[in-house]
Amino acid sequence: QQPVQSPQAVILREGEDAVINCSSSKALYSVHWYRQKHGEAPVFLMILLKGGEQKGHEKISASFNEKKQQSSLYLTASQLSYSGTYFCGTPMGAAGNKLTFGGGTRVLVKP
Amino acid sequence: NAGVTQTPKFQVLKTGQSMTLQCAQDMNHNSMYWYRQDPGMGLRLIYYSASEGTTDKGEVPNGYNVSRLNKREFSLRLESAAPSQTSVYFCASSVVRDLYGYTFGSGTRLTVV
Repeated sequence: QQPVQSPQAVILREGEDAVINCSSSKALYSVHWYRQKHGEAPVFLMILLKGGEQKGHEKISASFNEKKQQSSLYLTASQLSYSGTYFCGTPMGAAGNKLTFGGGTRVLVKP
Repeated sequence: NAGVTQTPKFQVLKTGQSMTLQCAQDMNHNSMYWYRQDPGMGLRLIYYSASEGTTDKGEVPNGYNVSRLNKREFSLRLESAAPSQTSVYFCASSVVRDLYGYTFGSGTRLTVV
């Protein structure tokens, strides 16, 4: 079951903040976040583990709410370089590395 | 350090033709994956290899076969291409433990006419 991301798209001005949500219908023990720029491969940002701390990458941070089966990605003081499509990925099984990805959130940061 | 290398980068096939997409990684990763990405959509897992000598189906395996030739190489074969297989194909690799993310190749853009 693929996770559901919201919103599908967001437009920001440089310096503004945004939140991207990733929800699953099943219990999660980890969530991956990736960013893909147009015409390029996805790039790993961070992984959130059950019971783990909030992670950060540049001014991008994320949290993981196990009870709600949800993770949120926070883009703080956005920069032009943050533009791209953000994907969350969650494990398909109880263990192992196979990920199923959400449909993505397109982020455009304008000057 | 090349990471994950995919060939070819672009390919146009006629319906019914066959082809093999190549993928190689030089990071000594055990696990390798093939995903497809359709316009405006996320990534869907086609096949997966946990380690050399093992392969497993993913979410959308129909019409594809894979070979884990050795620890470095994982190929994807389309035996009889169909227009529905027009997509961008990404190969990825990772270590076994679920603490590290995937490293993706640059992708193969395949068009089936």
